[in-house]
Amino acid sequence: QQQVKQSPQSLIVQKGGIPIINCAYENTAFDYFPWYQQFPGKGPALLIAIRPDVSEKKEGRFTISFNKSAKQFSLHIMDSQPGDSATYFCAASSMDTDKLIFGTGTRLQVFP
Amino acid sequence: GAVVSQHPSRVICKSGTSVKIECRSLDFQATTMFWYRQFPKKSLMLMATSNEGSKATYEQGVEKDKFLINHASLTLSTLTVTSAHPEDSSFYICSAHDPVAGNSYNEQFFGPGTRLTVL
Repeated sequence: QQQVKQSPQSLIVQKGGIPIINCAYENTAFDYFPWYQQFPGKGPALLIAIRPDVSEKKEGRFTISFNKSAKQFSLHIMDSQPGDSATYFCAASSMDTDKLIFGTGTRLQVFP
Repeated sequence: GAVVSQHPSRVICKSGTSVKIECRSLDFQATTMFWYRQFPKKSLMLMATSNEGSKATYEQGVEKDKFLINHASLTLSTLTVTSAHPEDSSFYICSAHDPVAGNSYNEQFFGPGTRLTVL
């Protein structure tokens, strides 16, 4: 019940495409859902995060869509660029724990 | 703001030696810091939660005597890998929670990671 399932494992798009990464969870106590971007050999960097009281959040070219009833959330990257090529992790957390539960990661490659 | 540093960024040591990794919050005070381990092309695995002035809480399966964690101040936590062996080779990442910045109580800021290679 503490797992966060992430798909796909890898994704290849052309420049300008809109890659979509999906995550699903079971624990209804989760109330904080961040997305992290990680480049090889670097630590993860927070991209964008959402709380369950909204269904969508945009920050620049990154959008989170959240479906509370389906217990799913997704990351959309608009107008993707080669510089977006990285591994993306979704995560979830709840008020009764300070831990982040991470998804398995999606390796994104954006070709020119 | 909310910058976390780690030192060293890369370390190579001989089997049987101990290695200390430092994690610092540079512009905020972190009451809680976290230590993760990451294998190549895998997700982050939480090893322990470190609270300033108290003992760390280790995740199931993580050897407390192997991975010593100390959180002596609000800006510094250290991870010591004792009697390191080749199987301890990994990418170790720390994160810190800034209770003031951001709008989420669980927002974590990550360090750049430390690559440990044990020969």
